[in-house]
Amino acid sequence: DVKVTQSSRYLVKRTGEKVFLECVQDMDHENMFWYRQDPGLGLRLIYFSYDVKMKEKGDIPEGYSVSREKKERFSLILESASTNQTSMYLCASWAERGYGYTFGSGTRLTVV
Amino acid sequence: AQSVTQPDIHITVSEGASLELRCNYSYGATPYLFWYVQSPGQGLQLLLKYFSGDTLVQGIKGFEAEFKRSQSSFNLRKPSVHWSDAAEYFCAVWLSGGSYIPTFGRGTSLIVHP
Repeated sequence: DVKVTQSSRYLVKRTGEKVFLECVQDMDHENMFWYRQDPGLGLRLIYFSYDVKMKEKGDIPEGYSVSREKKERFSLILESASTNQTSMYLCASWAERGYGYTFGSGTRLTVV
Repeated sequence: AQSVTQPDIHITVSEGASLELRCNYSYGATPYLFWYVQSPGQGLQLLLKYFSGDTLVQGIKGFEAEFKRSQSSFNLRKPSVHWSDAAEYFCAVWLSGGSYIPTFGRGTSLIVHP
């Protein structure tokens, strides 16, 4: 089975810190995604990537950037963390068209 | 605009009772359809998916879903709910020929009473 691993389950960071959220998948998928999940708002797409060094903005990219230097790794970067970025962050990868996402376990980030 | 609607934000059932979670979509063509489950503090896990063929699909954990083209619906069902089914359930659709990005519903929170 495809495995998507997010390196941290829980993170607590201070306002203004630069934060890296890491995601690794083990099945050579080309497509990777970052979502944030907030109560009542569902899943919102931040960024996605179709290939190495390629990135596309999702619905809410402001305050975030991404890095995809290797096919298996897709990093989400909060350049200067703010309290409104406290959320659950979910990484996913996409095998074939229509075959659905595989999600990581999520990283719950708290910015204080 | 294309959309996915899960009309129930919360559903409460008793353990052993049957369950139906609703999902409606608005697309011009038949999309690919998915149901995901999210246990507290976890990521989303794929329960089942529909691409074509038999409109009743079986998934993991004893769940099934029925695609009804005339109603643009893909409702999730389980004949007897277990306490461990308490979770958030998400419906998602993806349109063939479009982007790689599915559209998710807002989710339905299932509460199971003993």
